[in-house]
Amino acid sequence: DAKTTQPPSMDCAEGRAANLPCNHSTISGNEYVYWYRQIHSQGPQYIIHGLKNNETNEMASLIITEDRKSSTLILPHATLRDTAVYYCIGGFGNEKLTFGTGTRLTIIP
Amino acid sequence: SAVISQKPSRDICQRGTSLTIQCQVDSQVTMMFWYRQQPGQSLTLIATANQGSEATYESGFVIDKFPISRPNLTFSTLTVSNMSPEDSSIYLCSVNRERTEAFFGQGTRLTVV
Repeated sequence: DAKTTQPPSMDCAEGRAANLPCNHSTISGNEYVYWYRQIHSQGPQYIIHGLKNNETNEMASLIITEDRKSSTLILPHATLRDTAVYYCIGGFGNEKLTFGTGTRLTIIP
Repeated sequence: SAVISQKPSRDICQRGTSLTIQCQVDSQVTMMFWYRQQPGQSLTLIATANQGSEATYESGFVIDKFPISRPNLTFSTLTVSNMSPEDSSIYLCSVNRERTEAFFGQGTRLTVV
């Protein structure tokens, strides 16, 4: 799995867009970029994943740079329930996940 | 989606004893994964459990300490043996759908006293 680098913490005002960056410069051409989050005391929850193209679902948008060395997870209208640790992971999807330290996102009322 | 039921949700155990954690999935899956999350830390993979074969352990984890069973395609157990306070952690099981998302149980919060 590709090694990823994320800022340890971020704050975002409630109702604003939260933009979480991730560097994955060692990702291979056929590795996906996955995002998960872990709300306190719960199991991690899948958010979104992508290979080359930008992706959007009901939870978030994923913007992957053309060189695939970095990506940004966007939560368009952050709520207090989005406070969590967010993990960016490179991998193939059907294998074990290697979790880094993630970004602790705090939504400020 | 996959629904994962993990038991127990939490336990307090005496040092030197063992605890077996159960993970039940509502559909057949090839691989099941067991993770440990120590207090304030990220998740660390303990082992991968395939049905019909020995589990594959990650560096730093051994079968004598964390024996795993995988009797069928929907069930697995992880035993934490001869526990010490350092084993106090959240233990999580997980399954994957190929090239899409992984699903996690809610975890077992273990406290060893």
